[in-house]
Amino acid sequence: EAQLLESGGGLLQPGGSLRLSCTASGFSLNNYAMTWVRQAPGKGLEWVSLISGSSIALYYADSVKGRFTISRDNVKNTLYLQMDSLRVEDTAIYYCAGEYYTGNYYHRKSYNGMDVWGQGTTVTVSS
Amino acid sequence: DIQMTQSPSSVSASVGDRVTITCRASQGINNWLAWYQQKPGKAPNLLIYAATTLQSGVPSRFSGSGSGTDFTLTISSLQPEDFATYYCQQANSFPLTFGGGTKVEIK
Repeated sequence: EAQLLESGGGLLQPGGSLRLSCTASGFSLNNYAMTWVRQAPGKGLEWVSLISGSSIALYYADSVKGRFTISRDNVKNTLYLQMDSLRVEDTAIYYCAGEYYTGNYYHRKSYNGMDVWGQGTTVTVSS
Repeated sequence: DIQMTQSPSSVSASVGDRVTITCRASQGINNWLAWYQQKPGKAPNLLIYAATTLQSGVPSRFSGSGSGTDFTLTISSLQPEDFATYYCQQANSFPLTFGGGTKVEIK
């Protein structure tokens, strides 16, 4: 069964750093564009960052640009999110999710949706 | 940034009802749209992609329509397990954006 498992969440003070991991089991991440999505308590979904299968495409939400860094290790079948200079407003459940595609990420003919999701890991930033 | 506006924000319905949720993009996104269902305490689940394509394993009572700026998710006959929050999401351009969500509640 294809699964994503996040880890690395925790409680920390503003200004701190944390690295989230998302490890795939039962399938290879190579052909997946991987995304981090977060959800603040009682709020909707917010897209955070995306990395394509070959890491050529890297994108960030303005709210995290310059503070968060997305990366992946396809050998370890793992996605990462390095979170620095954390703020209270970064408090959320962080989900990793993947969109399957083939060929060049920029030449996709259509959007396949994020069809695999992790269970989420909670990040709490509080003084 | 492309804004995604969902309506209504919540709807009360009964089992067997037909439910329609709309999503409007602030600019054209072709058909680069997906719909997700989220139940409390769970991760979202993909229902529809490319605006109209039903994800494998998703019941056929779910359907999507639209292109350009106006999209619709329809549940033809609401079932007890469908009470959840639904989100649209565009992937036409970065930053990717989600709608605010529509909570489908029991009447």
